Amino acid sequence: AQSVTQPDIHITVSEGASLELRCNYSYGATPYLFWYVQSPGQGLQLLLKYFSGDTLVQGIKGFEAEFKRSQSSFNLRKPSVHWSDAAEYFCAVGATNFGNEKLTFGTGTRLTIIP
Amino acid sequence: DVKVTQSSRYLVKRTGEKVFLECVQDMDHENMFWYRQDPGLGLRLIYFSYDVKMKEKGDIPEGYSVSREKKERFSLILESASTNQTSMYLCASSLDSGANVLTFGAGSRLTVL
Repeated sequence: AQSVTQPDIHITVSEGASLELRCNYSYGATPYLFWYVQSPGQGLQLLLKYFSGDTLVQGIKGFEAEFKRSQSSFNLRKPSVHWSDAAEYFCAVGATNFGNEKLTFGTGTRLTIIP
Repeated sequence: DVKVTQSSRYLVKRTGEKVFLECVQDMDHENMFWYRQDPGLGLRLIYFSYDVKMKEKGDIPEGYSVSREKKERFSLILESASTNQTSMYLCASSLDSGANVLTFGAGSRLTVL
């Protein structure tokens, strides 16, 4: 079974600073990988996804993530954060075998932006 | 865009009551899911469904059941609500492509007193 670890429960970053949110996964093959964002009181919105190919993937809102097989990681980055990026971020892993379409989510990282 | 609608955003129920959480999606997605979200625990899968009248247990199905009589609608049922079921419940759907991209509803926050 797959699993996801987000080691940082809460991160505080100054507006305009760079951001990196960590995500490590466990799966027996190359998985599907996702980052979702949840603004207060809202459902989750897909930021980006990795299925195959280029290990650096671009997403919405200026986010990117890099798949590193050797480290079993899929860290999310943004070069300059905006106050509107304050939210909770979830990394998720999906199995690639047909008939197993469910996702497993990490526990989330809450991002606070200070002026 | 796919829209997933959860009819109740906030509910307050008493212990022992039967609770129905409704979810409707409008883009003919095959797969539907119910997660619960708790602080520090992230999202945990309760039940999912690949097709009408089909259901599969997720990681935490105890105390819950589901119903999928129509493709667009997936209901979560708490037969006898308990205080430890106070939580945020998120419904999601996805195409039957194996690509796992989920579209989520806005959530239903349930409080059981």
